Amino acid sequence: ETGVTQSPTHLIKTRGQQVTLRCSSQSGHNTVSWYQQALGQGPQFIFQYYREEENGRGNFPPRFSGLQFPNYSSELNVNALELDDSALYLCASSPELAKNIQYFGAGTRLSVL
Amino acid sequence: TQLLEQSPQFLSIQEGENLTVYCNSSSVFSSLQWYRQEPGEGPVLLVTVVTGGEVKKLKRLTFQFGDARKDSSLHITAAQPGDTGLYLCQRGSGGSNYKLTFGKGTLLTVNP
Repeated sequence: ETGVTQSPTHLIKTRGQQVTLRCSSQSGHNTVSWYQQALGQGPQFIFQYYREEENGRGNFPPRFSGLQFPNYSSELNVNALELDDSALYLCASSPELAKNIQYFGAGTRLSVL
Repeated sequence: TQLLEQSPQFLSIQEGENLTVYCNSSSVFSSLQWYRQEPGEGPVLLVTVVTGGEVKKLKRLTFQFGDARKDSSLHITAAQPGDTGLYLCQRGSGGSNYKLTFGKGTLLTVNP
């Protein structure tokens, strides 16, 4: 049990729609990272938020956007969904002085039809 | 683009056997993390290594960081079915655009 919760656990959308995924970080952690994991692959880094600001970004298009709130919870928004966006989306939280030490939630399984 | 190469990609062994999986990079990393991921779950942190030549032990798991800080290995002694999972290595990069990169992982199956 990592203390990181994600919602929803599963989601089905159609191409072109928009989706919002949510993450509550572990208590005291002010850094949240989001990943996309396709079947049989390692997680791909989408972006990281630290104290409500984007702190780093991977190679994902602008239709992937995020927010972090004052309580350090976070959202991942994906616009104009494509079939290839079908994946497990993982959220991880980290403490202030150890951004490389991550505690992951169980993920949201997104299917785009 | 994956900056970390993990090998082997798949490994299926019998309970009680020993095994080693590898993580390699063409560039030096400041720290490296190992995670294990089970189906339907997020990755769980096993260890972080930061010093060249560092060796850490976690029960039957031994983690080693290469002297040049470009490679790492995970050795499991007397594997058990509960060790089954996807083993992932991860590195961070500094600078103004912070990124964390995973390898593709090694999928380990330990048969009873």
